[in-house]
Amino acid sequence: AQTVTQSQPEMSVQEAETVTLSCTYDTSESDYYLFWYKQPPSRQMILVIRQEAYKQQNATENRFSVNFQKAAKSFSLKISDSQLGDAAMYFCALLFSGGGADGLTFGKGTHLIIQP
Amino acid sequence: AAGVIQSPRHLIKEKRETATLKCYPIPRHDTVYWYQQGPGQDPQFLISFYEKMQSDKGSIPDRFSAQQFSDYHSELNMSSLELGDSALYFCASSSTLPRQYFGPGTRLTVL
Repeated sequence: AQTVTQSQPEMSVQEAETVTLSCTYDTSESDYYLFWYKQPPSRQMILVIRQEAYKQQNATENRFSVNFQKAAKSFSLKISDSQLGDAAMYFCALLFSGGGADGLTFGKGTHLIIQP
Repeated sequence: AAGVIQSPRHLIKEKRETATLKCYPIPRHDTVYWYQQGPGQDPQFLISFYEKMQSDKGSIPDRFSAQQFSDYHSELNMSSLELGDSALYFCASSSTLPRQYFGPGTRLTVL
């Protein structure tokens, strides 16, 4: 079974500052993908960033970057220059890449608050 | 760009009633996934279909069933509804791994 753990139920950061959200996971598979999804008050699930487990280079998307530590099974998200629009629930998710239509396994989420 | 369409967006049912949720994937996407997100919880994977065949099964109750049709749209049928079924139900679609594109969700309220 796969598990995803987000140990920070809530985080708060000042606008324009940097914040890091933590995620650890457990899987017996060697090939998988990791994701961060953002869920604003509209409840829409928005993909923020994706990391392939076979890639050593950390993924980046504009102000968003990850620190992927495969041996430690850690996948943190760094948001630079935080903006008010970044306020949302952030979910870390794991997907086995076995070739089938497997479902995502999500963590419990981190509620990110941006203080103006 | 076309997105995943879910209907209805909101649904109110009484206990023990039946509900049908519909999902229209992005054109040319052959895979559909269903997720359930309870209040204050993370999304839980229910079931997926690839080329109209069931592909993977998660924590879907026996009271629920789903199928994917020849035009690739999918329906989630929920019977003998319980209060605990009140949730946001997401459909997602994909054409190739790994990205799943989520729809806006259907909010089901069971009274």
